Amino acid sequence: DGGITQSPKYLFRKEGQNVTLSCEQNLNHDAMYWYRQDPGQGLRLIYYSQIVNDFQKGDIAEGYSVSREKKESFPLTVTSAQKNPTAFYLCASSRGTGAYSNQPQHFGDGTRLSIL
Amino acid sequence: QQPVQSPQAVILREGEDAVINCSSSKALYSVHWYRQKHGEAPVFLMILLKGGEQKGHEKISASFNEKKQQSSLYLTASQLSYSGTYFCGTERAGNTGKLIFGQGTTLQVKP
Repeated sequence: DGGITQSPKYLFRKEGQNVTLSCEQNLNHDAMYWYRQDPGQGLRLIYYSQIVNDFQKGDIAEGYSVSREKKESFPLTVTSAQKNPTAFYLCASSRGTGAYSNQPQHFGDGTRLSIL
Repeated sequence: QQPVQSPQAVILREGEDAVINCSSSKALYSVHWYRQKHGEAPVFLMILLKGGEQKGHEKISASFNEKKQQSSLYLTASQLSYSGTYFCGTERAGNTGKLIFGQGTTLQVKP
């Protein structure tokens, strides 16, 4: 079955440490997204990528970095510069933009990140 | 700018109807609706494009008034499975795929 796989499900970060959240999709989608969700809040866009080797900052990119070297993979690194990283992180993908715009976003099951 | 959803929360009995609204201060190209169960990933419900169309999905339907920059989600004869948090995601310009989500509306359906 096609889908989006996020790992790990739970992650703990020590002060001053960088951590990387994995997101893999086998839906052959061009576009991928990272969102942050805080308790009782909506989803806020961190980064998104419409094509391999290209990505754009979302609304809250500070303290985060991404790469898009392969179509199916879009890892997110939470750097030590992100002072309040405790949140639920969701990765999503969609068929694309341009001619394939207006497509639904499909979400992974998320990663819960906490500070030790 | 984040769209505003109303109400923030609603409690229903099975079989009752509900309406969830999503308003933006900016011109919209499309509106997406998702439902999220506690601790789970959001699940896609429907997309509405500018043009004022209305869509339906079983007993859940939605409308989009582009002039008012508003969308409404209608839940008819609610079932226990409808419980969750509903989010609207708005797309301001076409061909970007970038969505801005509202803060969510929590719906609880009781027997």
